[in-house]
Amino acid sequence: EVHLEESGGGAVRPGGSLRLSCAASGFIFDDYAMGWVRQAPGKGLEWIARINWSGSDTRYADSVKGRFTLSRDNAKNSVDLQMTSLRVEDTAFYYCARQITNAANFFDSWGQGALVTVSS
Amino acid sequence: QSALTQPPSVSGAPGQRVTISCTGSKSNIGAGYDVYWYQQFPGRAPKLLISAGNNRPSGVPDRFSASKSGASASLAITGLQGEDEAHYYCQSFDSDLSDPVVFGGGTKLTVL
Repeated sequence: EVHLEESGGGAVRPGGSLRLSCAASGFIFDDYAMGWVRQAPGKGLEWIARINWSGSDTRYADSVKGRFTLSRDNAKNSVDLQMTSLRVEDTAFYYCARQITNAANFFDSWGQGALVTVSS
Repeated sequence: QSALTQPPSVSGAPGQRVTISCTGSKSNIGAGYDVYWYQQFPGRAPKLLISAGNNRPSGVPDRFSASKSGASASLAITGLQGEDEAHYYCQSFDSDLSDPVVFGGGTKLTVL
């Protein structure tokens, strides 16, 4: 069974940094791209980043480009989202998801989410 | 402003059929890109409900079905049950946007 578990959420001041990790199990990790989707409290879903199976290609939403960096360690079955220059509007639940990108583009498995709160 | 437009809320009585629309444009659904549907209960992570070709992951009842026509898509739920009360999101791909993975704003389904 596919299992994704985020960690590293918490509270941070505006301008601060935080690193989220996603531990994956139950599937061949380096067969899949991984994505992050966030959801501000009471709001809808927003895709923010994707990394391909090898880590050689990353894509970011305009809202986080230049501030967030995605990386993965296939030996550890994990993907990390480094978030810098955080803003109040980055406050959200952050979900790690397995992203299907072969002739498609969707998320077939999701973690439980990690809450990031940016506040002064 | 989402690239995909969904009604904020729909409702129906138990046993009824409800549909949730997802309206896009010629650069996403209208361009032929597949539409995916997710279900989210309060305080829980989203879950894939229906993928391309009206495929349902294991465990999703066949009361849920999806369709697409032109630049719009729909999720239909028949034999509505109380456990279906949740938020539903559509998602597709947009060739014109710098953020190509697009979600609808979400629809809250209330079972009366």
